[in-house]
Amino acid sequence: QKEVEQNSGPLSVPEGAIASLNCTYSDRGSQSFFWYRQYSGKSPELIMFIYSNGDKEDGRFTAQLNKASQYVSLLIRDSQPSDSATYLCAVNSSSGGGADGLTFGKGTHLIIQP
Amino acid sequence: EAGVAQSPRYKIIEKRQSVAFWCNPISGHATLYWYQQILGQGPKLLIQFQNNGVVDDSQLPKDRFSAERLKGVDSTLKIQPAKLEDSAVYLCASSLVGAAGAIGELFFGEGSRLTVL
Repeated sequence: QKEVEQNSGPLSVPEGAIASLNCTYSDRGSQSFFWYRQYSGKSPELIMFIYSNGDKEDGRFTAQLNKASQYVSLLIRDSQPSDSATYLCAVNSSSGGGADGLTFGKGTHLIIQP
Repeated sequence: EAGVAQSPRYKIIEKRQSVAFWCNPISGHATLYWYQQILGQGPKLLIQFQNNGVVDDSQLPKDRFSAERLKGVDSTLKIQPAKLEDSAVYLCASSLVGAAGAIGELFFGEGSRLTVL
């Protein structure tokens, strides 16, 4: 069974600091990796996706992927109180036949302290 | 552009009763997913449709859950009979298949929160 593991937190980070969120996955055949943000009582929204090993930057966000270690992370620079949310790591392990539904981790609850 | 529409937003039923949730995806999105999110957990895929055909229902409890997507547009998820452990938010998501870089980029509706008493 495909698994995605995240530390549930809460992870508390001072405003302006770097928040580091981590995720590991079990399926070596996984092809694409996503970070979703979910505010309390709201639906998930896509923050970033990454397909290749290395870093991908988008504004204050950087996703890092290491397929050999089956590890993906999200860095948030200059953390703001509005970044306080649950961050869901998701993995796409396309199994053929068009099935490409994401497998999600339980999420890490991030708190940015003003 | 209108987002994914879901209804009802909230539903409270007693165990053994039935319930149905409706979803209308973003116009033009061929792929539709139903996810179950239990409090404190990540979303769990129940079923994936490609147009009006089922692509993946391996995690759908078929003894009590059913889903259909007639005409390849909107979809209905039904639970009959409901159990206490079905209390969760049922999220509908859609994606645009085939667009470069969009594989796996899901657009979620606001969800339908089910409480089973």
